[in-house]
Amino acid sequence: EVQLVQSGAEVKKPGESLKISCKGSGYSFTSYWIGWVRQMPGKGLEWMGIIYPGDSDTRYSPSFQGQVTISADKSISTAYLQWSSLKASDTAMYYCARRVIAVAGAPKYYFDYWGQGTLVTVSS
Amino acid sequence: DIQMTQSPSSLSASVGDRVTITCRASQSISSYLNWYQQKPGKAPKLLIYAASSLQSGVPSRFSGSGSGTDFTLTISSLQPEDFATYYCQQSYSADWTFGQGTKVEIK
Repeated sequence: EVQLVQSGAEVKKPGESLKISCKGSGYSFTSYWIGWVRQMPGKGLEWMGIIYPGDSDTRYSPSFQGQVTISADKSISTAYLQWSSLKASDTAMYYCARRVIAVAGAPKYYFDYWGQGTLVTVSS
Repeated sequence: DIQMTQSPSSLSASVGDRVTITCRASQSISSYLNWYQQKPGKAPKLLIYAASSLQSGVPSRFSGSGSGTDFTLTISSLQPEDFATYYCQQSYSADWTFGQGTKVEIK
């Protein structure tokens, strides 16, 4: 069974650093891209970026480039999202998700499995 | 970046109703369009990928159509468990974007 299990909720102060995790199981972790999605309180979904754990190739949304760092440790099947200096506006639920390709015709990409989410609260 | 606009933003419907949600892209995205369902406090769930392909395990009352800039998600007969928020998402460009969501509420 494919599973993505995320680390628990975090409460941090502005200026602090943070690294949250997403552990994959039930499939070949190095063969699928893992993406991160932000959902601010009461708002919609925002694509942040994506990583290929096989070689750590990483792409960022222009909106999040320079604001966060996405990484992975393939030896433990885990992807990470980290901040060096949190702001109150980083308060949100963060989801990881597995990207797959539909190969019929031209390849189409989508997220098929999602983690349960990690709530990050930044408050002084 | 490609903007995705859903309509309506919310709707009220009764069990058994046929429900249609529209998603419009700011430029042509071929059929690179996916639909997700999200219930309160839960992660999104994939319903439809590549505009019209039903994800395994998703009830057949859900269907998707469209290509280019205009897409539709249809629920043929709304069930109690379908009350949720629905998002479209384009994967045409490297920078994926989601619609703002459509909340389906009980009438």
